[in-house]
Amino acid sequence: DAGVIQSPRHEVTEMGQEVTLRCKPISGHNSLFWYRQTMMRGLELLIYFNNNVPIDDSGMPEDRFSAKMPNASFSTLKIQPSEPRDSAVYFCASSLLSILASTSSYNEQFFGPGTRLTVL
Amino acid sequence: AQSVSQHNHHVILSEAASLELGCNYSYGGTVNLFWYVQYPGQHLQLLLKYFSGDPLVKGIKGFEAEFIKSKFSFNLRKPSVQWSDTAEYFCAVKKGGKLIFGQGTELSVKP
Repeated sequence: DAGVIQSPRHEVTEMGQEVTLRCKPISGHNSLFWYRQTMMRGLELLIYFNNNVPIDDSGMPEDRFSAKMPNASFSTLKIQPSEPRDSAVYFCASSLLSILASTSSYNEQFFGPGTRLTVL
Repeated sequence: AQSVSQHNHHVILSEAASLELGCNYSYGGTVNLFWYVQYPGQHLQLLLKYFSGDPLVKGIKGFEAEFIKSKFSFNLRKPSVQWSDTAEYFCAVKKGGKLIFGQGTELSVKP
């Protein structure tokens, strides 16, 4: 398995531009998570999906951020318009959510390599 | 507020020294606990996890962690660190459907 795939790996853009980050989860996984990592705030969960449905978007900073998961194998995180304070590494992770909460294979998240975003 | 706390922000050790990184959480009830490692320039990888049973959990690369319910702690240990252990270490608690991460501890091992 190729693992979680994210693109692009690096993105440099100017303030005000639209940025779209992409994620392909591990095949068969039914949960997908978007995180943002900065020096100041550490690792923050932005939003997560179960079976393509957004479950918790309370971590999304503001209306400039939006995420979609049109199918089980693809998700996007969009920032429009982008601002310098959005500069961070954005990670996507996926997992297999089991209804048997006690199983040891439940909810291990596998992370992608991240997208390093720089907004000038 | 409920949280995950890693008290050591930066730890510097010499090779062969013993390691213990603290992690405390403030969530009640049943919790699932994780330690992830992030090597320089890489993504997070799972070191070990606790769901139930033996509170002493063994992970990859010689790491282990002990769940102490009464102390709300899940400290990470390794008896003898190597230069290749230089990385950032994250403790996480699964609550609901998501992971709540601590701020991370940066470990620097001097050769």
